[in-house]
Order: sequence, then structure tokens, then C-alpha cells
Amino acid sequence: QVHLQESGPGLVKPSGTLSLTCAVSGDSISSRDWWSWVRQPPGRGLEWIGEIHHNGGTNYNPSLKSRVTISVDKSKDQFSLRLTSVTAEDTAVYFCARVGLLGGSLDYWGQGSLITVSS
Amino acid sequence: DIQMTQSPSTLSASVGDRVTITCRASQSVVSWLAWYQQKPGKAPKLLMYKSSTLESGVPSRFSGSGSGTDFTLIISSLQPDDFATYFCQQYYFYPYTFGQGTKLEIK
Repeated sequence: QVHLQESGPGLVKPSGTLSLTCAVSGDSISSRDWWSWVRQPPGRGLEWIGEIHHNGGTNYNPSLKSRVTISVDKSKDQFSLRLTSVTAEDTAVYFCARVGLLGGSLDYWGQGSLITVSS
Repeated sequence: DIQMTQSPSTLSASVGDRVTITCRASQSVVSWLAWYQQKPGKAPKLLMYKSSTLESGVPSRFSGSGSGTDFTLIISSLQPDDFATYFCQQYYFYPYTFGQGTKLEIK
């Protein structure tokens, strides 16, 4: 069974860069086309950040597009999220997830990583 | 962006009840709609995709229906494990968007 695990710093300073990695185990990252990032501010709803194809193609949420980069490293079966110029509004639990076979829906999720933006 | 509106925001029900959660899209998403269940401190869990297709391993008391702009998630007989927050998600238009959530509470 596929397993996803986020790793990241936990605390990022305002105006800094948030970097998270999602390690995929139990299957190859090339076994499924698309992989995604979603975030959830404390006590609030879900926001789709973007997705990456295992060959490197990306789709981003326009609300974050100028600040976000998603990349993939097939040799390590992992994909990553980079968000620049962070503010307190970027404080959230960040989830990585696998996109389902028919596209769009998210069938496997990581446990989530809380990122707090604070000085 | 496509706006997804769920109702109700909070629902109080008892074990054994039949409950209905609705999700309305601001424009047609055809049948490209998913439902998730989320418990506190946990990641969302996929229940349903393409409006009415049950994800593997999800109990058959969950069912989904709808197309276009109006969708429904039904739990036929509530079990203690079902008390959670439910989200819908459209994946027809980028950016994909979620409803605000429906919190299902014990009456």
C-alpha cells in the first residue's frame, strides 16, 4: 500500500521560504501520473495548491502561482513544495496527496505537516 | 474560481439516522466531484469520486449522487465512526476547489 510522508521545518520566518518534501513509499512515484499539495489553515477548510506530473509538468493555483514551485525527483520517489515570501496567512497544515486514476480526486494522503510562519 | 457551497455547515444526528449533505457548484462540473471525510488531526479520506463511485474499502452505507451543479452525499445509517467533517471537491476546472465543510455532530 502506498504511503506518503511530508517533512519540513515546522517554523518559517515571515518573508522567508517554505520548503516541504513528500516521500512516497510502497510504490514508485512513476506508477501514478499526478501528485498534489493541499493546505489547511488551522480550523479552516482545504485549499488546493497545485500538482505535478511524474515527468515534471505542473498546474498551480493562480492565487499562489507567483510564489509556488512544485518539483519531482523520480530517483528518490519524492516530490517537493517551495513557497516564497511567506506571511502569517501561509500558516497551515500542508498535505501531500496522490491523484486518483481518473484525475483530480486525491486517493492517498500524507499525515500532514504543520508549518507556522512567525518571527 | 468555481465556488463550492455545502449545506448544512453543521449537522446534529444520532446513530442509525439517515443523513444528507449537499454541495452546490457555482457552475457545472459535470460529474467531476469527490467527497472526503476528515477527523480531527487527520488527513482527509476519499469516500467518493466522479460523484457516485465509492472508493475501495468505503462502507456501502455511503452513497453519492448528482451532476452539473448539485450533488448529494448520503449516509444511510449513521455509525459512531461517521462523526467527522465532510468536504466536497470539484476537479473539472483548475484551480480545483473544496467546499467549506459540513461538521457532523452527535445529537
